[in-house]
Amino acid sequence: GAVVSQHPSWVICKSGTSVKIECRSLDFQATTMFWYRQFPKQSLMLMATSNEGSKATYEQGVEKDKFLINHASLTLSTLTVTSAHPEDSSFYICSAETGPGNTIYFGEGSWLTVV
Amino acid sequence: QKEVEQNSGPLSVPEGAIASLNCTYSDRGSQSFFWYRQYSGKSPELIMSIYSNGDKEDGRFTAQLNKASQYVSLLIRDSQPSDSATYLCAVNQRGDMRFGAGTRLTVKP
Repeated sequence: GAVVSQHPSWVICKSGTSVKIECRSLDFQATTMFWYRQFPKQSLMLMATSNEGSKATYEQGVEKDKFLINHASLTLSTLTVTSAHPEDSSFYICSAETGPGNTIYFGEGSWLTVV
Repeated sequence: QKEVEQNSGPLSVPEGAIASLNCTYSDRGSQSFFWYRQYSGKSPELIMSIYSNGDKEDGRFTAQLNKASQYVSLLIRDSQPSDSATYLCAVNQRGDMRFGAGTRLTVKP
């Protein structure tokens, strides 16, 4: 199957700082990528849909100024958590689809801990 | 009504038994269906996709689709403790992929 790589796998940052997570499609071009957040023992929560070359579409309740998403190329999307707080600590997962409505492949996920 | 519904479980089966996971969806126009497995602390991984009514088999896994009844299921034969995970159903509803909340499966040795 297609490969989606996410980096870093683990990150610890201080409260008030910003942290960037990268999501890359390694062997295909992804016009659309998705960002999710998952708290322990809870379901995946879609945060935003990222389309190459355009602004991301955020789900209701997700602060677009806090979670900055950039999809500058067909193989890279980034999520920047700005002014991070301990409550932002979570498992962040990206995914990419191989074509509109096609199979979605997930990155390995990034554990963020804000101290 | 949620767009994609799954029983949250937990579903517990003994080792060697058949585990049956069910999923219903609301949009009759849905065309493609997927099952993902998510181990605790890991991201989801694709197990199977199914597009046509009927059964699709891949090793110990069988996906079943019934578009008239709007349900899709996943059967795991000869369940192993390593199958213990959360199983996510995903439905492509007119270009938008919608995920169920997942069913937690525990296979007991």
